[in-house]
Amino acid sequence: DADVTQTPRNRITKTGKRIMLECSQTKGHDRMYWYRQDPGLGLQLIYYSFDVKDINKGEISDGYSVSRQAQAKFSLSLESAIPNQTALYFCATSDPRTSGANEQFFGPGTRLTVL
Amino acid sequence: DQQVKQNSPSLSVQEGRISILNCDYTNSMFDYFLWYKKYPAEGPTFLISISSIKDKNEDGRFTVFLNKSAKHLSLHIVPSQPGDSAVYFCAAVHQTGANNLFFGTGTRLTVIP
Repeated sequence: DADVTQTPRNRITKTGKRIMLECSQTKGHDRMYWYRQDPGLGLQLIYYSFDVKDINKGEISDGYSVSRQAQAKFSLSLESAIPNQTALYFCATSDPRTSGANEQFFGPGTRLTVL
Repeated sequence: DQQVKQNSPSLSVQEGRISILNCDYTNSMFDYFLWYKKYPAEGPTFLISISSIKDKNEDGRFTVFLNKSAKHLSLHIVPSQPGDSAVYFCAAVHQTGANNLFFGTGTRLTVIP
């Protein structure tokens, strides 16, 4: 079984709709991240959380919100989706205490299309 | 502003030859660098890393070189194999900051059998 899972894997939605992307991990890591990847661009950090009570904005947080429901779950919400949020979204985890310094483990991604 | 840059979007190499992927960064506070490999429909997976106190790190067929004065790193794959065909991202982090990774735009490597 995959250590970091994302649901859904693909989603098509319409402008103005609210959508939630979910991430679950079985690695026991405290730190979780949400990234988006656009064609020709690298991964850009949206939000990150170092534990259940800690939520931080990344480089491109506008238009997004997150919820850390438990150590193992970190969800990303688009309150009112717009077409330029069409992208590939990745969740990642890390724990410097148990893995290589700074190494992050990624889920398989969610391809989101906003029409 | 892109703090980590990979100026070659793609690279094609013959099987058995060396692949060299390049990465430049602008932020002198970065002190740890990583390479990730990504296959289609999968998330990136960690490949190799290097601390700024070193100038070379080797793991099997993969070697990363760091030139701090030039703010440049490179990934060498020798010999290249068809299974190495993927998109490679370099990433940088400032370890005394929030420890967040800054990614380059990626280089698509194609190894031709």
